[in-house]
Amino acid sequence: DPKIIQKPKYLVAVTGSEKILICEQYLGHNAMYWYRQSAKKPLEFMFSYSYQKLMDNQTASSRFQPQSSKKNHLDLQITALKPDDSATYFCASSPGTPGNTLYFGEGSRLIVV
Amino acid sequence: QQKVQQSPESLTVSEGAMASLNCTFSDGTSNNFRWYRQHSAKGLEVLVSIFSDGEKEEGRFTAHLNRANLHVSLHIREPQPSDSAVYLCAVSIYNQGKLIFGQGTKLSIKP
Repeated sequence: DPKIIQKPKYLVAVTGSEKILICEQYLGHNAMYWYRQSAKKPLEFMFSYSYQKLMDNQTASSRFQPQSSKKNHLDLQITALKPDDSATYFCASSPGTPGNTLYFGEGSRLIVV
Repeated sequence: QQKVQQSPESLTVSEGAMASLNCTFSDGTSNNFRWYRQHSAKGLEVLVSIFSDGEKEEGRFTAHLNRANLHVSLHIREPQPSDSAVYLCAVSIYNQGKLIFGQGTKLSIKP
């Protein structure tokens, strides 16, 4: 059974709309992350959270907002969607200490038309 | 800014032959190196983590790290068709949780 659940797996959205990508982890980890994988680009770090607090943000646009309602949840809200936002978004978690192994979910594939 | 480059871009190997993948990084202060693999439309699976120069083996997967040469490699012993996937090198810097990934090597294993 997957220990990191991402929903939805596939999503088509209209330019200008807003979507929320859901991530829940059942590994008991304290740190959670979002990464993005666009076509022909390496997997790219977006955010890291530890104990529900933002630790690092490498996303230039404020249109991307993580939301952590519980320790094992880190959702990603994306507003004013653009076609360039089309990518697969991966959630990951780690026990918490920097240097620990990150475990990834299966991703949410977003297509913006 | 840490840069991670992988080679080759793609590799085809016969079943049972050794597969070798390469990764170079730009920041010598990096201290955590991991190899992941990604089967089509799936999440990432961690294969091996290495933190000091030398060799680290996890089953059929062996990583070699040479910090002086800014190089880490992955060797897959007796690869099988089910090992066909994209292999990703990931590097992190001391005390930072985030990983910097290479662009991947697409490995195909011929029966």
